[in-house]
Amino acid sequence: EDKVVQSPLSLVVHEGDTVTLNCSYEVTNFRSLLWYKQEKKAPTFLFMLTSSGIEKKSGRLSSILDKKELSSILNITATQTGDSAIYLCAVETLNNDMRFGAGTRLTVKP
Amino acid sequence: DVKVTQSSRYLVKRTGEKVFLECVQDMDHENMFWYRQDPGLGLRLIYFSYDVKMKEKGDIPEGYSVSREKKERFSLILESASTNQTSMYLCASSLWGEPAGEQYFGPGTRLTVT
Repeated sequence: EDKVVQSPLSLVVHEGDTVTLNCSYEVTNFRSLLWYKQEKKAPTFLFMLTSSGIEKKSGRLSSILDKKELSSILNITATQTGDSAIYLCAVETLNNDMRFGAGTRLTVKP
Repeated sequence: DVKVTQSSRYLVKRTGEKVFLECVQDMDHENMFWYRQDPGLGLRLIYFSYDVKMKEKGDIPEGYSVSREKKERFSLILESASTNQTSMYLCASSLWGEPAGEQYFGPGTRLTVT
């Protein structure tokens, strides 16, 4: 059965710290991996990754996919309290299925 | 384990048909959500409901309506399906008082309107 596993489930850091969130997957017919930030009603789209080894960056956030290891990481540098949220990883397959991980709850303390 | 189920995984409908997408959750969650997911656009919120018979519009409610007659069930209705509503539809639920809290997602319904 397809599955997406995120780790850690929760994380507490202080402002200025750098964090790395992990997502591993076991799916058939992988198409893409997506990262979302969930803090209000709807998750906010962060990145879509389809190719291995190519880093995507947006400000202090970056992400990379490793298709050999079936995993992805999301890095946040110089964290701020506004980064506190649940970060969701989802994998889309060529069969047009989507599987979400349980999320990582990040808390950034002042 | 929280379970959110959606009535269909794949659906093909014709333009102008009325379409019902059903979502059921078994964890007594107050909040339920309907999203659509399109390539490159991420998740977009269509409607959400925080209680039976209560509903609020999300970011893209046009062309959709919803129904929440029972706490565990949230239906998305396309009154007259159009080709631009071809998409992946995801339902989610969460506990009341935690709009920023964990949302549990269903497996999705891939709708194709021809």
